[in-house]
Amino acid sequence: QVQLQESGPGLVKPSETLSLICTVSGGSINGYYWSWIRQPPGKGLEWVAFIYYSGRTSYNPSLKSRLTISIDTSVNQFFLNVRSVTAADTAIYYCARHMDTPGNEAFDIWGPGTVVTVSS
Amino acid sequence: QSALTQPRSVSGSPGQSVTISCTGSSSDVGGYNYVSWYQQHPGKAPKLIIYDVDKRPSGVPDRFSGSKSANTASLTISGLQVEDESDYYCCSYAGRSTRVFGGGTQLTVL
Repeated sequence: QVQLQESGPGLVKPSETLSLICTVSGGSINGYYWSWIRQPPGKGLEWVAFIYYSGRTSYNPSLKSRLTISIDTSVNQFFLNVRSVTAADTAIYYCARHMDTPGNEAFDIWGPGTVVTVSS
Repeated sequence: QSALTQPRSVSGSPGQSVTISCTGSSSDVGGYNYVSWYQQHPGKAPKLIIYDVDKRPSGVPDRFSGSKSANTASLTISGLQVEDESDYYCCSYAGRSTRVFGGGTQLTVL
């Protein structure tokens, strides 16, 4: 079955750029929407961005100016860059697949998450 | 885009029913039939339990049900079991291809 795996640097310095990778295995990245969702320590979930396999994107309005989401269908991976990070970007970052329904609004498969800490 | 409002915590005894509310606005919950619910155990990734307001993915027990009235969605868990003790999050489509989560509810099974 389809599995997702996030990878990232673990520790990022303030003002630098955070780069994350989500690798899709057991199925194709084509035909689906894919999202990044994050969870600060002890807090709730926050939707960050999505990308369709064709390249169409959408971003959380509160983060949009610092984000870039991209996809490489040839290697079954999608990516997230967060620029000018601060301590508020410290979180577990999850990648997730959108369910294949008319609304594409639910996240039916999640990766285990990768911990990102912003600190000097 | 403000987070949807959920109670911080709810509790119930085994066998009982509990309902978790998720309140938004006409721009999200009330405007679309695209509300989903997630169960998250400590240290684990969230798991989808309800989508499109009231649909259950394959494998989710029918003890879990969803509904919506105006700007408030609800998750009801009937026949509570100890393993239902977890955090629960709602999520709604919020227009312009965006999504918004609720703040989360901690369910305690007494």
